[in-house]
Amino acid sequence: GDSVTQMEGPVTLSEEAFLTINCTYTATGYPSLFWYVQYPGEGLQLLLKATKADDKGSNKGFEATYRKETTSFHLEKGSVQVSDSAVYFCALSAGGTSYGKLTFGQGTILTVHP
Amino acid sequence: EAQVTQNPRYLITVTGKKLTVTCSQNMNHEYMSWYRQDPGLGLRQIYYSMNVEVTDKGDVPEGYKVSRKEKRNFPLILESPSPNQTSLYFCASSPTEGKLFFGSGTQLSVL
Repeated sequence: GDSVTQMEGPVTLSEEAFLTINCTYTATGYPSLFWYVQYPGEGLQLLLKATKADDKGSNKGFEATYRKETTSFHLEKGSVQVSDSAVYFCALSAGGTSYGKLTFGQGTILTVHP
Repeated sequence: EAQVTQNPRYLITVTGKKLTVTCSQNMNHEYMSWYRQDPGLGLRQIYYSMNVEVTDKGDVPEGYKVSRKEKRNFPLILESPSPNQTSLYFCASSPTEGKLFFGSGTQLSVL
């Protein structure tokens, strides 16, 4: 079945450092890919998405490119802030009739220090 | 304000005592679902519903029930909770592929 694997965490960075969180996936067909963010005590929020190969999703300074050849969707940000501290989830959707179902990775905890 | 509301936020119960976690959305979404979040496992789908009176199992449905009598409500029922159902639960609704609106979560502890 479909699966998503994220890099092991937690990740600890200083403010203004460069961030990469790796994500690879296994899926049949052509899934859509997503990054969700979860701030402390809250539900998940959609951060960005890409629906086909070579698409780049971006939002709030975060970017991720859908790489079909390496089955990857790594999250990057050039300069993190303390307010980016959260848990980040990579996810895929197989689409079709179950359009609301996501398969999630295990999550990566990011802590940014001043 | 568009939102998914689930209650309660925290719940402590004992093995075998039936409980219900409520979920309501005000966005007129047809698709609703329940997930559980466990450390190291991410979120896993329990049940989903594509419309009123239409529900189906997700990846981890054992020990759970749901109902969808109205479009806005999608309660999660644990008829005989067990300690392995201790988890953080999220309700979500979706208007389109992959875009989920999540509630704030229910932390359940089964003793």
